[in-house]
Amino acid sequence: KNEVEQSPQNLTAQEGEFITINCSYSVGISALHWLQQHPGGGIVSLFMLSSGKKKHGRLIATINIQEKHSSLHITASHPRDSAVYICAVRGGAQKLVFGQGTRLTINP
Amino acid sequence: EAGVAQSPRYKIIEKRQSVAFWCNPISGHATLYWYQQILGQGPKLLIQFQNNGVVDDSQLPKDRFSAERLKGVDSTLKIQPAKLEDSAVYLCASSLRLGTSADTQYFGPGTRLTVL
Repeated sequence: KNEVEQSPQNLTAQEGEFITINCSYSVGISALHWLQQHPGGGIVSLFMLSSGKKKHGRLIATINIQEKHSSLHITASHPRDSAVYICAVRGGAQKLVFGQGTRLTINP
Repeated sequence: EAGVAQSPRYKIIEKRQSVAFWCNPISGHATLYWYQQILGQGPKLLIQFQNNGVVDDSQLPKDRFSAERLKGVDSTLKIQPAKLEDSAVYLCASSLRLGTSADTQYFGPGTRLTVL
């Protein structure tokens, strides 16, 4: 079993829909990151969380430390949100462990 | 501010050949990471440098992979000899300081390696 599990692996939705991507982890962590990867490989850091909730524009990230679970939400989704979203946790020895990613496709 | 630079962007080689990748981190960033990302998977850490010292290379296949960061700035990752299963995107990332709130990692565009 992977230390970081994301669901769903693939998600297709229509423009305007509310999107939720989930991340569960099995180890103790000091921080959790949500990353966005566009075709071509470039990765952008969206959020770093250690507790609670953060919001940036149409993106919202939440984390529940007790349940070892985090969610990334996108409101009013747009085709430009199409990308792979990766959850990564910082555990022992400050090493980042990555989930396998969720491929999101937003159709116009 | 310039981002993390990597070269080449693409490389195609035959198995058993050698290949080297170069990374120039963001100026002033002490920590540098090399990741391997196989298609359909998340990145896997290969090696992590703090300045010019190795912090973690536990997942680096040392029989064929090597990396160095001699002056604590640029880094090179080498594969010799390459195998088919090394086909992946090799990502370089840097962060200001390890283990602090300033350790957000900034990723380069990656080098896509295809081994035939």
